[in-house]
Parts: sequence; C-alpha cells; structure tokens
Amino acid sequence: QVQLQESGPGLVKPSETLSLTCAVSGGSISNFHWSWVRQPPGKGLEWIGYISYSGSTTYNPSLKSRVTISVDTSKNQFSLQLSAVTAADTAVYYCARVPPYYDILTGRYYYAYMDVWGKGTTVTVSS
Amino acid sequence: EIVLTQSPGTLSLSPGERATLSCRASQSISSSFVAWYQQQPGQAPRLLIYAASSRATGIPDRFSGSGSGTDFTLTISRLEPEDFAVYYCQQYGDSPPFTFGPGTKVDIK
Repeated sequence: QVQLQESGPGLVKPSETLSLTCAVSGGSISNFHWSWVRQPPGKGLEWIGYISYSGSTTYNPSLKSRVTISVDTSKNQFSLQLSAVTAADTAVYYCARVPPYYDILTGRYYYAYMDVWGKGTTVTVSS
Repeated sequence: EIVLTQSPGTLSLSPGERATLSCRASQSISSSFVAWYQQQPGQAPRLLIYAASSRATGIPDRFSGSGSGTDFTLTISRLEPEDFAVYYCQQYGDSPPFTFGPGTKVDIK
C-alpha cells in the first residue's frame, strides 16, 4: 500500500524559501504524477502544482513565478520549493499521488484526480 | 479558469438521514474530470468519487456521485457518525489543471 510522508521545516522566515520533500513508500514513483496541495488555516484546498515521474511540471498560474517542483526517482521522492514566502503562505502542505485515468470518450489518458495523500505538514511563515 | 461553487455551505443532518451535496461549475466540464473528497478535522482529504460517479477503492456504497455539464451531486444515502466532515468537489481542466470548490460541511443536527 502506497504511503506518502511530507517532511521539512515547520517555520520559515518571510522572504525566504520554503522547502518540503515527500517520500513515497510501498510503491514506485513511476507512471504517476505527483502533486502538492496546501490549505491555509480554516480555509479550503489550493492546488500548487504537479510533476510527472519523468520530470515534466505544471504549476498553478497564481504561484508559478515562485514554485519549483522536482523529482528524484532514485530516492523515490519529490520536492517543493516556494520562494519569497509571506504570511499568506502559512498552511498545511499536502503531497498527493495523481494516477493515470483512461477516458473512454476520448481514448486518452489524463491525470485528473488525487487518490493517495500524505498526512500533511504545517508550515508557518513568521520572523 | 473554471470556478466551482458548492451548496449548501453547511448541511445539518442526523445520523441515518440522506445528504445531498451540490457542486456547480462556471462552465460545462466533462464528467470524466470531476472528483469528490472528504476531509475530517485535522486529517488529509480522502478521495471518495472520481469521474463524477466512480467510487474510489474502499469507499462504502452509501456514497454516490452523479451529474453532468455544470451540475454535479454527491449523495450519502444514510449518514453514519464518521460521515460528518467537510466535502470538496474538484475539477480537472486546462489552467490551472485542478481547482477545488469551497467545501460543504456536514454536521450533526
């Protein structure tokens, strides 16, 4: 059974770079996309971006200028970097797996939902 | 960008009752690209439904999804105590690929 575990500093200073890693256990990182989602305190979910096992990335346009997601297949993990953080970036950060989904109507594969999630890690931006 | 609206914001029901949650999109989307998640307090979201009506692995059959075009529904046929939670719909599109609705909280009446 695949499990995801986020790790990284729980406190980051304003203007610095937030760095998190998601370790994938119980399965291979291949053939899936891997996503980051965040949730500010008391608010809803915001998708940050995802990466394919081959390293192709797609980011939320609202965060694109500050986000980098990378993958290390040798370590079966992927990472998030968010630069120039402010208090608005304080949130619980989740990593999640995005499986391929075959759409019968179009005959194509899509990466359209997230089926396995990590437990999340709280990151506070404060001096 | 497609915007998702969920209603009601809060649904107050008793165990054993039927829950009907609505998700409306600002423009038509393929039913292949609609998912529903459950989030308990302090926990990560859990996938319930994908492709609008397919139950994820291990999800009880009291959860069902339906809809097309701009209107999608999550139904819980008989509420169990563990079903009181927040529910989010999510759509997959072009830019950004994933957007979530604001959520519906199902609480105990």
